[in-house]
Amino acid sequence: AQKVTQAQTEISVVEKEDVTLDCVYETRDTTYYLFWYKQPPSGELVFLIRRNSFDEQNEISGRYSWNFQKSTSSFNFTITASQVVDSAVYFCALSEAARGAQKLVFGQGTRLTINP
Amino acid sequence: DVKVTQSSRYLVKRTGEKVFLECVQDMDHENMFWYRQDPGLGLRLIYFSYDVKMKEKGDIPEGYSVSREKKERFSLILESASTNQTSMYLCASLRGGRAYNEQFFGPGTRLTVL
Repeated sequence: AQKVTQAQTEISVVEKEDVTLDCVYETRDTTYYLFWYKQPPSGELVFLIRRNSFDEQNEISGRYSWNFQKSTSSFNFTITASQVVDSAVYFCALSEAARGAQKLVFGQGTRLTINP
Repeated sequence: DVKVTQSSRYLVKRTGEKVFLECVQDMDHENMFWYRQDPGLGLRLIYFSYDVKMKEKGDIPEGYSVSREKKERFSLILESASTNQTSMYLCASLRGGRAYNEQFFGPGTRLTVL
């Protein structure tokens, strides 16, 4: 069965520190997709990035970067020079291509607090 | 600006009441989803719909039903609310049903059952 684990329940850092959010997944499929979503205090989840199982290239978008390693089944998310606006709950999620209609499996979420 | 809206941000109901949570999307998406979010459990799928009048059970459908009479609207129904259904409920929509597409979420409804 597919599973996503975000072992860090809460992280608190001071502004401008770098922070990494961990995500470990389990799946038997060879084709799958991994996602990161951000949930700010307003409530709605906002899509950040998608990665397919055949693309292990790391990605950087401004202060955000993602490290996908199939060998360790991990898809970690790093924020460089964190800012107060980065405070949110972050979710990692997995979608298996073979299941037809998309069904996302979410991790437990990591609450990130950036202190000024 | 694409949007998923939910009828209420906060709702307080009594045990045994029938509760309707409404979700509307303006993106002409085929797929719609209802999740509940609880601390330490992440988001769990209750029901989803891949077309009008079509529905499938998610991982935790017990105590819930859904209705999709129009493409843009997906309703979650608690037939007889219980205190263990106190939670945050999130609606989402998805274009095309492809596994690689991102879902768009509403702001959530925080339901308290007394």
